Amino acid sequence: EDKVVQSPLSLVVHEGDTVTLNCSYEVTNFRSLLWYKQEKKAPTFLFMLTSSGIEKKSGRLSSILDKKELFSILNITATQTGDSAIYLCAAHGGATNKLIFGTGTLLAVQP
Amino acid sequence: NAGVTQTPKFQVLKTGQSMTLQCAQDMNHNSMYWYRQDPGMGLRLIYYSASEGTTDKGEVPNGYNVSRLNKREFSLRLESAAPSQTSVYFCASREAPPLAGEETQYFGPGTRLLVL
Repeated sequence: EDKVVQSPLSLVVHEGDTVTLNCSYEVTNFRSLLWYKQEKKAPTFLFMLTSSGIEKKSGRLSSILDKKELFSILNITATQTGDSAIYLCAAHGGATNKLIFGTGTLLAVQP
Repeated sequence: NAGVTQTPKFQVLKTGQSMTLQCAQDMNHNSMYWYRQDPGMGLRLIYYSASEGTTDKGEVPNGYNVSRLNKREFSLRLESAAPSQTSVYFCASREAPPLAGEETQYFGPGTRLLVL
């Protein structure tokens, strides 16, 4: 069965801390891995990763994929309260060639 | 350019009532999706439409029907609502059809549905 597992389920940090969010996947016909940030409403796209070892970076956020070990990490440096959100990981692939989502990591950044 | 829009934002139904959730996108995307999001379950795909005129079941289609009215609009219908359908429903769209390389989906703001 195709699945995506995220850890930790939740995380509380202080402003300025660096956090690492994990995503492991077991998905047949894997094509890509995506990260989304969800605040109060809809998920917003962060990164799409297709190749191993190539870091994608956007400001204080960065992500990398390891296709051999079947995982990805999302790093956030110098966290701010505005980073508080649920971070969703999704793998594109599977028997139906769709996005398969993890349950998300709830990040709370305290002032 | 509004992106993906959904109506209504909130809805309360009684068990057995029916309703249609509306979704529209103005990005000329080919593919559209309906998800539900429940605590501890993540986002689960209900139905999707790879292109105008086609629809297919996702992970959790039971109790739902969909219509791809035209390229812009993709509606989700609950014929006889049940408390288990209490959830937040998200519509999403994507430019390319399945099997293409780009898989970025753009999400609507969601519809919160409570079935009593």
